[in-house]
Amino acid sequence: NAGVMQNPRHLVRRRGQEARLRCSPMKGHSHVYWYRQLPEEGLKFMVYLQKENIIDESGMPKERFSAEFPKEGPSILRIQQVVRGDSAAYFCASSLSPVLYEQYFGPGTRLTVT
Amino acid sequence: AQTVTQSQPEMSVQEAETVTLSCTYDTSESDYYLFWYKQPPSRQMILVIRQEAYKQQNATENRFSVNFQKAAKSFSLKISDSQLGDAAMYFCAYWSGGSNYKLTFGKGTLLTVNP
Repeated sequence: NAGVMQNPRHLVRRRGQEARLRCSPMKGHSHVYWYRQLPEEGLKFMVYLQKENIIDESGMPKERFSAEFPKEGPSILRIQQVVRGDSAAYFCASSLSPVLYEQYFGPGTRLTVT
Repeated sequence: AQTVTQSQPEMSVQEAETVTLSCTYDTSESDYYLFWYKQPPSRQMILVIRQEAYKQQNATENRFSVNFQKAAKSFSLKISDSQLGDAAMYFCAYWSGGSNYKLTFGKGTLLTVNP
């Protein structure tokens, strides 16, 4: 049973470009969470999605960031017009139900903005 | 808002010795969950141990155990018989349960294991 998969593992973007981060949850999991880890910091919650619905986006910056979890395919975290401050590790987690003690994390995507 | 504080940015331990990592948290909830996660250099987040606040008994997983002091809002992790593979960042995390869908993490403690 494959775990949570994220790709790419490393992504380099120039300032002003768009970044797309993908997350494939564990098989059978329909709840996806995105977290951001800035250097020297712990993970910070960004958004919680179920299939085709955003449930809680209280941690998402108001501009340039968006997330989706379509009926088919992976969840996508999209960052438009990236800036240097967006450089971070972005983690996806999934769960079978919205019970966080059963949450499984992916290996993360490290975004570097040059 | 809930906060999680890890006051030790770095710790070191000799192989086969015991080390304790500290964590305190702030909450007004009576029922909640606490976690310790390990993040090795690969950056994969690995759940080490979980504690439900309503349980008085401290959780134990092999060489890992916690000291949960609910009144003091303290949740420390004890690693016994430390191994080189235990070297990693360790994060304490809190979940209030119910319809709150986010884990709140501390800033982490970097553990070094010396041979």
